[in-house]
Amino acid sequence: DIVMTQSPLALPVTPGEPASISCWSSQSLLHSNGNNYLAWYLQNPGQSPQLLIYLGSNRASGVPDRFSGSGSGTDFTLKISRVEAEDVGVYYCMQALQTPITFGQGTRLEIK
Amino acid sequence: EVQLVESGGGLVQPGGSLRLSCAASGFTFGNYWMRWVRQAPGKGLEWVGSINLDGSAKNYVDSVKGRFTISRDNANNSLFLQMSSLRVEDTAVYYCARASFGAADFWGLGTLVTVSS
Repeated sequence: DIVMTQSPLALPVTPGEPASISCWSSQSLLHSNGNNYLAWYLQNPGQSPQLLIYLGSNRASGVPDRFSGSGSGTDFTLKISRVEAEDVGVYYCMQALQTPITFGQGTRLEIK
Repeated sequence: EVQLVESGGGLVQPGGSLRLSCAASGFTFGNYWMRWVRQAPGKGLEWVGSINLDGSAKNYVDSVKGRFTISRDNANNSLFLQMSSLRVEDTAVYYCARASFGAADFWGLGTLVTVSS
């Protein structure tokens, strides 16, 4: 199974400041088609997860452009250029290159 | 508007069975793989299983293999999760999700399954 590891697990951020979350996979997520099968999700408190980024760096429909995803292979990063209050919640990375599909432990972003 | 609405959760005793349903609308259901993902209370996300377009291929996380079965009814835009031999550790909110480009791009609100005596 591919193990997904996130860092940090807790992230206090001042509104308006940037934030960054790292995600590492135990195996490369680069498919032979050139795509990295890595997605990022945000789960706001009490809500269902929502897709932010797919295929490593593609922003999902309706996601603000302050969110960006980067990386390839085994190292990936989610960046928020300027954190807003509505960004509070738990962020998960997920690999879908092979089954079982696996998630990172989650990173809890809180507002200072 | 894409909508996924789960139902069928509840309280069940260990060893019991439960069938979850997911009603889909706002998209052509038969054109998408579908997934079930669960979240134990206060814990992270765990993929349960996936089903392909016509239901001919399914895969599951090891912990539910032989106990859970995913199926779909494309004519009625519905996804199902038949759960048997339920264990306390199966207690979770169960989400159905649409799969697209490897990601789960739309999720339902979830249905809570509690396994307890």
